[in-house]
Amino acid sequence: EVQLVQSGAEVKKPGESLKISCKGSGYSFTRYWIGWVRQMPGKGLEWMGIIYPGDSDTRYSPSFQGQVTISADKSISTAYLQWSSLKASDTAMYYCAKTEAYGSGSYYPDYWGQGTLVTVSS
Amino acid sequence: DIQMTQSPSSLSASVGDRVTITCRASQGISNYLAWFQQKPGKAPKSLIYAASSLQSGVPSKFSGSGFGTDFTLTISSLQPEDFATYYCQQYNSYPLTFGGGTKVEIK
Repeated sequence: EVQLVQSGAEVKKPGESLKISCKGSGYSFTRYWIGWVRQMPGKGLEWMGIIYPGDSDTRYSPSFQGQVTISADKSISTAYLQWSSLKASDTAMYYCAKTEAYGSGSYYPDYWGQGTLVTVSS
Repeated sequence: DIQMTQSPSSLSASVGDRVTITCRASQGISNYLAWFQQKPGKAPKSLIYAASSLQSGVPSKFSGSGFGTDFTLTISSLQPEDFATYYCQQYNSYPLTFGGGTKVEIK
């Protein structure tokens, strides 16, 4: 059974750093891209970026380039999303999603993590 | 970036109704279109990929169609567990983009 288990909720202050995780199991972790999605309170879904754990090839949505860092440790089947200096506007639910390949170089989400709520408040 | 526009943004329907949600892409995306269901406080669930292919385990009351720029998600007979928000997403090109969502509420 494919599972993506994310780390627990976080409460941070502006300016602090944070790294949240997403551990995959039930499939070959290194062979499928994993994406991160933001959902701000009461809002829709936003695609942040994607990583291929096999070689850590990473692509960011322009809106998130330079704002976050996506990484992976294939030895423990875990992907990460991190911030070096949080802002109040980073308050949101963050989901990871395993993707499945379709066509040439295209990937769609098929399994989702349960989400990690990040609250940034002074 | 490819813009995805869903309509309506919300709708009210009764149990047993047939419901159709529309998603329009700002440029052609072939059939590189997925649909997701999200219930309050829960993670999204994948329903459909390649515009019309059902994810494993998704009931056949859900169906998708379309190609190019215009797509639809249809729920053939709405049940209480189907009241949720539905999102489309294009994966034809980066950055991947979602529609704004359609909230399906009980009439």
